[in-house]
This record gives sequence, structure tokens and C-alpha cells, in this order.
Amino acid sequence: DTEVTQTPKHLVMGMTNKKSLKCEQHMGHRAMYWYKQKAKKPPELMFVYSYEKLSINESVPSRFSPECPNSSLLNLHLHALQPEDSALYLCASSREQEAGTEAFFGQGTRLTVV
Amino acid sequence: SQQGEEDPQALSIQEGENATMNCSYKTSINNLQWYRQNSGRGLVHLILIRSNEREKHSGRLRVTLDTSKKSSSLLITASRAADTASYFCAWGTNAGKSTFGDGTTLTVKP
Repeated sequence: DTEVTQTPKHLVMGMTNKKSLKCEQHMGHRAMYWYKQKAKKPPELMFVYSYEKLSINESVPSRFSPECPNSSLLNLHLHALQPEDSALYLCASSREQEAGTEAFFGQGTRLTVV
Repeated sequence: SQQGEEDPQALSIQEGENATMNCSYKTSINNLQWYRQNSGRGLVHLILIRSNEREKHSGRLRVTLDTSKKSSSLLITASRAADTASYFCAWGTNAGKSTFGDGTTLTVKP
């Protein structure tokens, strides 16, 4: 199984809502990542988890809250988002966090904030 | 981009032709990877080249890396309509994170 599964595929939420994005992998990877991608732009790193501990937070606003309940799961909790947060949110995993390991990406969650 | 760029931004070719995309970056790197992204979907890893390598091949793909010029190129030979996608380079540092270039949108016309 070389898949990273993200749910939901599409999400529309209001600015006062609380929602969560989910990501799952069963490749035994110990590094998991959240990226944000706006249309026609490259992915931007948000968070990195290594061995279930938050390793990198790229100064992401607190309305985005990551969680890594176990080595296979990664969540992104969303609260009080703004319309400019609408984007494709990509989860990825790799064998280790170290540079030089191939990252496997999920298909993303297309988020629209209204 | 402040950290690097890819060129061209867009490339349109006929099926069977070769496509070359270039990537430039500004930091010291540990490795450089190339990814493909079909419209609005996840990224697929194509090839990784380490900082001590100069060239790497994988099927119809050829990647070069020139660390003195802080640049890399991706060559796709004998292109097919199915190669139509956006292509991103991503350079990795010893800090354990990768940064993506701006991407090249490739259109291969049948």
C-alpha cells in the first residue's frame, strides 16, 4: 500500500465553523506533512511531524491546529478560518524527515471558506 | 520567488517532442526532487538527485544538477499527451524540509 489517503476530498465551511481534515498512511512512514497550495502556485509547507512530534511549524496562524494521534494518522483542525484560507490542502508522508527521502502525497482536500 | 524559480512558466509542445524545464534555487541543498501534478490533484514523485550527483535517468526522464550554478533541469523525451501536467522541483536542505519551485505547466498536444 503506497497510498496517502485524505478525507474529505472537498469541504465548504463558514468562517465560524470548526472542521477537521484527515490524512492516513500505512507505509510505516515516520514523517508526515501538511502543505497548502493556492491555484497556480507551488505547495507551501505548513507543518512537519516526525515520530509523532511536531518538528516544524512554518509560522502558521493558530486557526490551523495540527494533530498526530499515531504514526499513521495526521489531522488538521480548522477553526475561524478566513476566505483567503481557501486552497488545496495536501498531506504527504516520507520514510524519515531527513532531506533526500521521497515524499508520497495524498490527493488533497479542496477547501472553500465562505 | 524569493527562494528560487522554474522556467519556463508554461511550455506547449507536440507529442513526440522533447520538453526541458529548468529550476534554480538559492540555498545550499542536500538533494533536489522533481514532482508532477495533474490538474488540482496530489503530487507524484518523479526522481531525486543528490547534491553529489550530476545526472540521473529514469525511463524517459533525465535530470541534471549543477550545484555551482544552483540549477537543475528536467528533460522529458518523446513526450506524450499524458505528460500534460505541472512539474515542480523541490530542493531539500539538511534542516529536513523541502521547498518547491514555482512550477512549469507543460501541455503536450496530440
